[in-house]
Amino acid sequence: KQEVTQIPAALSVPEGENLVLNCSFTDSAIYNLQWFRQDPGKGLTSLLLIQSSQREQTSGRLNASLDKSSGRSTLYIAASQPGDSATYLCAVVGGGADGLTFGKGTHLIIQP
Amino acid sequence: GAVVSQHPSWVICKSGTSVKIECRSLDFQATTMFWYRQFPKQSLMLMATSNEGSKATYEQGVEKDKFLINHASLTLSTLTVTSAHPEDSSFYICSASTGTSGYYEQYFGPGTRLTVT
Repeated sequence: KQEVTQIPAALSVPEGENLVLNCSFTDSAIYNLQWFRQDPGKGLTSLLLIQSSQREQTSGRLNASLDKSSGRSTLYIAASQPGDSATYLCAVVGGGADGLTFGKGTHLIIQP
Repeated sequence: GAVVSQHPSWVICKSGTSVKIECRSLDFQATTMFWYRQFPKQSLMLMATSNEGSKATYEQGVEKDKFLINHASLTLSTLTVTSAHPEDSSFYICSASTGTSGYYEQYFGPGTRLTVT
């Protein structure tokens, strides 16, 4: 059964810093990996989708990488802003299921 | 594009009653729809997968007689929580995909918050 782990569970940094969120998964037979953000009490906002054949995706200040063979992904956030404060979720499809398997998330706080 | 809506956005019901949640793909045809549940302070867990015109496939530990899923058209899936109890209080989120395999991106609805009193 696929398991997704996210490290750290929580992170608080001053505004302007670059930061890295980590995600690992146990079964490398994935179709794709997706990063989401979730604001308190809200639904999901898709940030980046990386297909299994891809190594990375970029959108604005966000860059996500995928190392499928080692079962790892990182989300890099450049020049962090207070508006980036949210919970960031990593999820994969595959490893025996077509639905997404989510990690528990990284709760990020950017201090003004 | 790829917009998914859910209705209602929140609902409060009494213990023992049933609640229906709708998930609609507004600008595309959804071959597959998924239902997820999120308890407070926890991550999302897949409940079931449904393909249009077929019976839903439930994840282990999810009671299919309690959580009735109907995917009658390519744009609508419904989740009915039957005989709801306070422990069913949760955030329910659906997603929709244009394909049947995991290669296809899932587009998420805004979620429905259910509170059972």
